[in-house]
Amino acid sequence: RKEVEQDPGPFNVPEGATVAFNCTYSNSASQSFFWYRQDCRKEPKLLMSVYSSGNEDGRFTAQLNRASQYISLLIRDSKLSDSATYLCVVPRYGGATNKLIFGTGTLLAVQP
Amino acid sequence: ETGVTQSPTHLIKTRGQQVTLRCSSQSGHNTVSWYQQALGQGPQFIFQYYREEENGRGNFPPRFSGLQFPNYSSELNVNALELDDSALYLCASSLESVGYGYTFGSGTRLTVV
Repeated sequence: RKEVEQDPGPFNVPEGATVAFNCTYSNSASQSFFWYRQDCRKEPKLLMSVYSSGNEDGRFTAQLNRASQYISLLIRDSKLSDSATYLCVVPRYGGATNKLIFGTGTLLAVQP
Repeated sequence: ETGVTQSPTHLIKTRGQQVTLRCSSQSGHNTVSWYQQALGQGPQFIFQYYREEENGRGNFPPRFSGLQFPNYSSELNVNALELDDSALYLCASSLESVGYGYTFGSGTRLTVV
């Protein structure tokens, strides 16, 4: 089982729609989680951090379910500019090293 | 405050050759991590450098090596290139090795033919 798993999509949704992505993680000791956005052929950029049960930033809501070991990202009122790949990320500590474990990403295409 | 810069942006190499990729960390960041992102995959951790020493390594063979310099910039070297090494190589800098504030560079796209 992969450490971080996501549905690769693609999710094709019309403008204005609400879309949700799920991500599961295997390490029950993980304490923090991130959603990154990656545009085509660009670097990943931090979208949201999740340290407790959830986080909300405008149209974006991230929720954490520790019992089931999954994180979700909800996007309301989708815009064309939301089209991108959304990466679920779980940091892993190994002694003095903190590395990011990425899921494969979920591709979102918002249609006009 | 300058961000993370990587060079070159694109590179084409022949199988068996060697390549060096460069990364300048964000101002104030002393830790550099390198990731490999193959097409359709998420980035995979290669290794991290902190205070000029390798501070953790992912599941990559020894022909992937690196350096960090006193100014915290870093190099990734790959010897004996294989076709599967074709990927986007991302550098991320952070403050301290266990910091959360990662900043990614725009990457170097390496194609091995």
